[in-house]
This record gives sequence, C-alpha cells and structure tokens, in this order.
Amino acid sequence: AQTVTQSQPEMSVQEAETVTLSCTYDTSESDYYLFWYKQPPSRQMILVIRQEAYKQQNATENRFSVNFQKAAKSFSLKISDSQLGDAAMYFCAYMSGSQGNLIFGKGTKLSVKP
Amino acid sequence: GAVVSQHPSWVICKSGTSVKIECRSLDFQATTMFWYRQFPKQSLMLMATSNEGSKATYEQGVEKDKFLINHASLTLSTLTVTSAHPEDSSFYICSARAGGNNQPQHFGDGTRLSIL
Repeated sequence: AQTVTQSQPEMSVQEAETVTLSCTYDTSESDYYLFWYKQPPSRQMILVIRQEAYKQQNATENRFSVNFQKAAKSFSLKISDSQLGDAAMYFCAYMSGSQGNLIFGKGTKLSVKP
Repeated sequence: GAVVSQHPSWVICKSGTSVKIECRSLDFQATTMFWYRQFPKQSLMLMATSNEGSKATYEQGVEKDKFLINHASLTLSTLTVTSAHPEDSSFYICSARAGGNNQPQHFGDGTRLSIL
C-alpha cells in the first residue's frame, strides 16, 4: 500500500523568507502523481502544485516549487518570498495513476511571522 | 472553472436524525466523486468513491449503511449520515473529477457536522 509521510507537524517562517516543507512517500507503482494542497482556516482545500512522476522537471507555480527526487521518493515544497496569506495547513498527497484515489500525509502547519 | 459546491456548509442536529450533504459540480461533469472525513487537526481520510450510476465503493472500516452515498447524475452526489450520533460529528469534504484516473480532483468547501 502507498503511504505519504510528512515529518514536520509545524513549521514557521519569517515573512519574505523561504521555507521548505518535506514529504516522502512509498510506492511500488511507476504511474503516479504527487500534489501539495493548502488548507487555510476556512478549511477549503486548495491545490498548490502538481507533479507527474514521469516528468523529470520539477513543477513550479509562481512562488511555489517542488524538489522531486524520484529515486529517494521525496517531494518537498519550497515557498519563496513567504506571505502572511501562506499561513495554513499543507498536505502532501499521492495519487495512483491506475486507481485515482488521493492519499494524504498528516499535514504540516505553516505559520508566517510578520 | 472546475467549481464544486457543497451544501450545507454547517449543520447542527439532534442525535438520531439523518443528515444529507450535497456535492455538486457546477461547470463540469463529474464521472467520479469522492467523500472524505476530517477530524480536528488531522488529515483527510477517504470514506468512499462513487461513480455516476454505480454503487459507491467504501473504504475499509466505513459503514455503508451508516453513510449512504448516491451519485445519480453527473453533477450531483449526496452523502446521508443516517441516525447520526455525536461520534459522527466531523468535517466532511467532497471532491469531484471529470474523466480518467489521471485527472485532478476538485474539492468542495466542506460541511461541518455537529450532532448534539
């Protein structure tokens, strides 16, 4: 079975600084996708970034980028120029290409200090 | 695009009553919908997957008679919590997907269910 591990329950970053959130996963599949979701206090699930396993190039979305290390099964999220609005729970998620179900990590609570 | 509406956003009801939560895809046809449960300060746990016109597939440990799921159309899925009790109080979130397994899931805003 696939698993997703986020080893940092909480992280803190100074406004305008850079922070990296860690995520590792375990799978024997070759066809899969990885995601980072943001859940602010409103509890809405917001897709931050998506990575296809077959792509070697790391995905980027404005201030958000990932470091996808396939061999190490690592998928970290880097947030540059952190803003107060980035404060939220961040969930790493795995999706099997054959099953399509999302498996979430336990989340990392990110605080941004002004 | 890809908007999912979930209703109600918050419901409080007495123990023993049944509660229905709706999940609608507003601008796309959702061939598959998912229902998640999230306890405070915890992650999302998949409860069941439903495909339009078919019976839902429940995850291990989820009581199908307790959590009735209907996906009668390509834009609507409902979750009915039958004979709800305080331990059913939780945050329930739906998501919807158009097309195959490699397509992204779009989430509703969730429903906070409180059983007194």
